[in-house]
Amino acid sequence: DVKVTQSSRYLVKRTGEKVFLECVQDMDHENMFWYRQDPGLGLRLIYFSYDVKMKEKGDIPEGYSVSREKKERFSLILESASTNQTSMYLCASSLAGTDEFQPQHFGDGTRLSIL
Amino acid sequence: LAKTTQPISMDSYEGQEVNITCSHNNIATNDYITWYQQFPSQGPRFIIQGYKTKVTNEVASLFIPADRKSSTLSLPRVSLSDTAVYYCRHAGNNRKLIWGLGTSLAVNP
Repeated sequence: DVKVTQSSRYLVKRTGEKVFLECVQDMDHENMFWYRQDPGLGLRLIYFSYDVKMKEKGDIPEGYSVSREKKERFSLILESASTNQTSMYLCASSLAGTDEFQPQHFGDGTRLSIL
Repeated sequence: LAKTTQPISMDSYEGQEVNITCSHNNIATNDYITWYQQFPSQGPRFIIQGYKTKVTNEVASLFIPADRKSSTLSLPRVSLSDTAVYYCRHAGNNRKLIWGLGTSLAVNP
């Protein structure tokens, strides 16, 4: 089974801090994704990556950046955390190919609170 | 503008068949429709995927009519453990993935 591991289940940070969320997958998947999930808004794509050192903006990239130095690891960075970034963050991975054909495998999420 | 619409919530009882319908008004010609299940404090989990007509696996069936503007996830004989949020997903004509907002299914004893 594919395993997508997010480094923290719960995280509390302060406004203005630089926050790193880490995600590792163990199935050699080419594609990796970061979503945030908020009540009533569903899943919203922040960034995705189809290859090492490659990134593409999703629907809500403002205030975030990403890093993919190794194939198995995809990091989400909140440059200067703000309270409106309090959310559940989900990482996912999938095999190569266009997104609509490949099921995504998700981690269990990081619930981030910005105080 | 591509949009995916599904009911916010549904109630059922153990042993019943549950059908959740998703409408996708601008689905891309070659796009697949994918359904996910999410339990509290977990990430979404792939259930089933299809392109047209009917697909069945060990947990669910997926019905897609000829015009492909909707899809119906069918869960046979649900149990309490099927209580979860169910999401449909497809890509729009601009190839961007579009997720529904999820249907919260409550299965009662």
